Amino acid sequence: AQKITQTQPGMFVQEKEAVTLDCTYDTSDPSYGLFWYKQPSSGEMIFLIYQGSYDQQNATEGRYSLNFQKARKSANLVISASQLGDSAMYFCAMREANTGFQKLVFGTGTRLLVSP
Amino acid sequence: EAGVAQSPRYKIIEKRQSVAFWCNPISGHATLYWYQQILGQGPKLLIQFQNNGVVDDSQLPKDRFSAERLKGVDSTLKIQPAKLEDSAVYLCASSLVPGATKNIQYFGAGTRLSVL
Repeated sequence: AQKITQTQPGMFVQEKEAVTLDCTYDTSDPSYGLFWYKQPSSGEMIFLIYQGSYDQQNATEGRYSLNFQKARKSANLVISASQLGDSAMYFCAMREANTGFQKLVFGTGTRLLVSP
Repeated sequence: EAGVAQSPRYKIIEKRQSVAFWCNPISGHATLYWYQQILGQGPKLLIQFQNNGVVDDSQLPKDRFSAERLKGVDSTLKIQPAKLEDSAVYLCASSLVPGATKNIQYFGAGTRLSVL
């Protein structure tokens, strides 16, 4: 079964607008972590934001925020005030505490294109 | 602080040849990961080291792939012999805190392998 599902292969947004990238996950482990990474065309995976399953507040990091809805098992990334440099692939990933090995499981990604 | 270093950035080989990739993690990071990212997919973990010991190689095709981390610092990943389906980006990552769910993994720029 898919652990991480990203249903949007591509998204378009105009500069300075906000955009939401969807991520749903599947786990029976009560303790888990959710991550978002950005992968520009250069190839490097850049860590953006983290949400723990027991965190009471939604995570925020600058222009990035995570809309965490635990009951729905969704962890959507919100990018506010989009910039041209935000054009990249975005991956949602999960780590389950019971794996013991700290393995990250990634979704298939969403390509974001920011237009002027 | 220097990031995760990988070399080479690109490699083109013919099938049945061998190839090796090198990774130097962030200084002080005990855990090192090798991921394979096939075009259009998210990264998939191949092998994880804790210091110089293997903790997870369940998805490593051991008939052709091997990896080592002899002194608990840098690591090499080898493919011998290569197949067409090995064409992918090979990403190395490292992390500092092995026991925490947050345990952020920092990635290198990857090696793009083309097998002809």
